[in-house]
Amino acid sequence: DIQMTQSPSSLSASVGDRVTITCRASQSVDNYLNWYQQKPGQAPKLLIYATSTLESGVPPRFSGAGSGTHFTLTITGLQPEDYATYYCQQSHSKLTFGGGTKVE
Amino acid sequence: EVQLVESGGGLEQPGRSLRLSCVASGFNFDEYTMHWVRQTPGKGLEWVAGISWKTISRGYADSVKGRFTISRDDAENSVYLQMNSLRPEDTGLYYCSKDIARQQLAYDAFHIWGQGTMVTVSS
Repeated sequence: DIQMTQSPSSLSASVGDRVTITCRASQSVDNYLNWYQQKPGQAPKLLIYATSTLESGVPPRFSGAGSGTHFTLTITGLQPEDYATYYCQQSHSKLTFGGGTKVE
Repeated sequence: EVQLVESGGGLEQPGRSLRLSCVASGFNFDEYTMHWVRQTPGKGLEWVAGISWKTISRGYADSVKGRFTISRDDAENSVYLQMNSLRPEDTGLYYCSKDIARQQLAYDAFHIWGQGTMVTVSS
């Protein structure tokens, strides 16, 4: 199975900051990379699919980039509602998730 | 409103069985692949199983292959997960999820999620 590694596992940021989360795949997943946001007590929510396509209703301060084995999720101008845990997930071969990055 | 509602979780002993159900509403259920995803303290988020539209194909994580079976009833807008030979490591919150891709066989992104049903396997 393709292993997904996120870094950092947690980070501390302030409102207004630019935050970047990295996701690396153990082998190429082309652009089959998705990002999710999860808040405590809630199910994950799809933010970005196919590396860089924003899901409907997701604010444009969220952006995704990358290809192959290296991907990033960037939040430009962190808002109070963005404090959450973020997960990457590949769909190139079966489906696997990264371990998550907690933004606090 | 698109909605997924899971049920069937609970406390069960190792080696026993449980059947999870998920009822969907607000979209053309029969056109979409459906998945079960679990979240555990030990392994985080883990895809468990998927079933394509028209039940053309099914897929399983290696950790559950041969023990779990996913099925669907399009007339009832429902997807099920039959869990046999349960193990303590199957303990977790089980989510039902709709794939983002319509009328596709390939698995893509988990577009819509239910609120989950908790499964605890312990003697």
